[in-house]
Amino acid sequence: EVQLVESGGGLVQPGGSLRLSCAASGFTFSSYWMNWVRQAPGKGLEWVANIKEDGSKKYYVDSVKGRFTISRDNAKNSLFLQMNSLRAEDTAVYYCARAITSTESYWGQGTLVTVSS
Amino acid sequence: QSVLTQPPSASGTPGQRVIISCSGSSSNIGSNTVNWYQQLPGTAPRLLIYSNNQRPSGVPDRFSGSKSGTSASLAISGLQSEDEADYYCAAWDDSLNAFVFGTGSKVTVL
Repeated sequence: EVQLVESGGGLVQPGGSLRLSCAASGFTFSSYWMNWVRQAPGKGLEWVANIKEDGSKKYYVDSVKGRFTISRDNAKNSLFLQMNSLRAEDTAVYYCARAITSTESYWGQGTLVTVSS
Repeated sequence: QSVLTQPPSASGTPGQRVIISCSGSSSNIGSNTVNWYQQLPGTAPRLLIYSNNQRPSGVPDRFSGSKSGTSASLAISGLQSEDEADYYCAAWDDSLNAFVFGTGSKVTVL
């Protein structure tokens, strides 16, 4: 059974840092592009970043460039999102998602990040 | 602010056909395939349509997608109460070098 389980969310002060993790199981993790997608409370979906199967290519939405870093550890079937210089507008549920544009798309249940003083 | 524009809402009675539009530009819908996602209340999104008009296994054939130029649409035929959800279009944008979601449309079954 495919599973994506996010962790690492919580309350952080503006300017702080947080590292999200996504533990993958039930499939060959190293064969898929992986994504982070977020959703602010009561708002729509916003794609944050993605990373190629071998980690050689990474793309980011403009609003997080220079602050967030996506990475993966294929040996540990894990996806990460290092978030620095956090702002109030980064408050959202962060979803880990596999192959979001193919028939093999799969999403985790999300982890809530709250940036507030 | 999203580069893909959708109507905020759509509604219909059970059995009716509902169509949701998605308007983009030459750098996204005009040059890349469109995907649609369904998000039921309190749950994670799921892929409903990929590559403009393809359904992943498990998605009922009541859902169909189409694309023309810089616009796309999602049709729900034979509307059912369980179709009440938020729907988002999405596509890669070559100018932004990023994946972009639409503004989202809430479907209500009357």
